[in-house]
Amino acid sequence: EAGVVQSPRYKIIEKKQPVAFWCNPISGHNTLYWYLQNLGQGPELLIRYENEEAVDDSQLPKDRFSAERLKGVDSTLKIQPAELGDSAVYLCASSPGLAGGPETQYFGPGTRLLVL
Amino acid sequence: QKEVEQDPGPLSVPEGAIVSLNCTYSNSAFQYFMWYRQYSRKGPELLMYTYSSGNKEDGRFTAQVDKSSKYISLFIRDSQPSDSATYLCATEGNTGGFKTIFGAGTRLFVKA
Repeated sequence: EAGVVQSPRYKIIEKKQPVAFWCNPISGHNTLYWYLQNLGQGPELLIRYENEEAVDDSQLPKDRFSAERLKGVDSTLKIQPAELGDSAVYLCASSPGLAGGPETQYFGPGTRLLVL
Repeated sequence: QKEVEQDPGPLSVPEGAIVSLNCTYSNSAFQYFMWYRQYSRKGPELLMYTYSSGNKEDGRFTAQVDKSSKYISLFIRDSQPSDSATYLCATEGNTGGFKTIFGAGTRLFVKA
């Protein structure tokens, strides 16, 4: 079974440019998460989807970040415009979304973003 | 104060040593406790999952939770070079919806 797929794996952009990350979760997983991981830190939740509905986006900086999961399958996270402080690893994870409570999250390899 | 505190290390041990990794947490509403392992340039993968206080063993790994002191531990017996990774503790509870809170991770190096 294929795991969580993310692309691109690496991205280098100049500040003020837009950037987008794509995630394809494990087939059949209803819940999708986007996390931000800074160097030497643990992942921090940006947004969580249950199917196509964003059920927790309280930590998403909405002035520059946006996300969508239009058909409840794959998802895109966008930053516009990017700032130097956005340099980090952006992780996508998915879980079955059936338990109504905590579930094992399966992480993708992440997209490593460098803003110059 | 962070909700989950974890010593970032690095921790370097010889092969075969017993490794002890620890975290503390602040919110007594947390009920679920996890340990993730993250290899360099990879995403975290779930290693152990426990609910409430007590011990859970899986092969060379033992997870321990003490809710009275809000202390989480992971023990690795007979450590191997392949165990070299960052170990992230995490907690979760129904604090207005289930949300996983991760520690900063401890970098472990096991020397052959």
